[in-house]
Amino acid sequence: QKEVEQDPGPLSVPEGAIVSLNCTYSNSAFQYFMWYRQYSRKGPELLMYTYSSGNKEDGRFTAQVDKSSKYISLFIRDSQPSDSATYLCAMYSGGGADGLTFGKGTHLIIQP
Amino acid sequence: EAGVAQSPRYKIIEKRQSVAFWCNPISGHATLYWYQQILGQGPKLLIQFQNNGVVDDSQLPKDRFSAERLKGVDSTLKIQPAKLEDSAVYLCASSLEALSYGGNEQFFGPGTRLTVL
Repeated sequence: QKEVEQDPGPLSVPEGAIVSLNCTYSNSAFQYFMWYRQYSRKGPELLMYTYSSGNKEDGRFTAQVDKSSKYISLFIRDSQPSDSATYLCAMYSGGGADGLTFGKGTHLIIQP
Repeated sequence: EAGVAQSPRYKIIEKRQSVAFWCNPISGHATLYWYQQILGQGPKLLIQFQNNGVVDDSQLPKDRFSAERLKGVDSTLKIQPAKLEDSAVYLCASSLEALSYGGNEQFFGPGTRLTVL
């Protein structure tokens, strides 16, 4: 079992829809959770960053962390064609070397 | 603010050849990371530097990969000799401080796409 599982998709939705992206993980030591967006032939860019369990909202994006279920989600409201990209979840345990552990990424396509 | 710079952007080599990648982090960033991203996978950490010291190189294949960060600024990653399975995008990232010390974002460069034939 990989440390972080993420459905690679592709996930195709119409413009304006609410998008739900998810990751599960096995390492209960993970404390910090992030979502990165990666456009083709570009480096990942940070979208959301949360510590421990709970929700965080930033504009059209909401990140949720449920540590009891080892499950994290990213919701995108009012999706736009410019949101088409690969979304990577990443996490880190803290307290030492802090390279991120990434999921495979979900390829999202927003249809105009 | 200038981002993380990497060169070259693309490199094609034959197996058993050697190759080197260069990274210039964001000015003032103490922590530098090299990740390997194989097609269809998420990035995998190879090595983390804090200034010019190595913090974590547990996933670096040390028989063929080496990295250095002289003077705590620029960094180079070398592969010698390359294998077919080394074909990937090599991403450099930097952060103001390590996450352990309160940093919270790793900024990624555009990557170097390596093809080994």
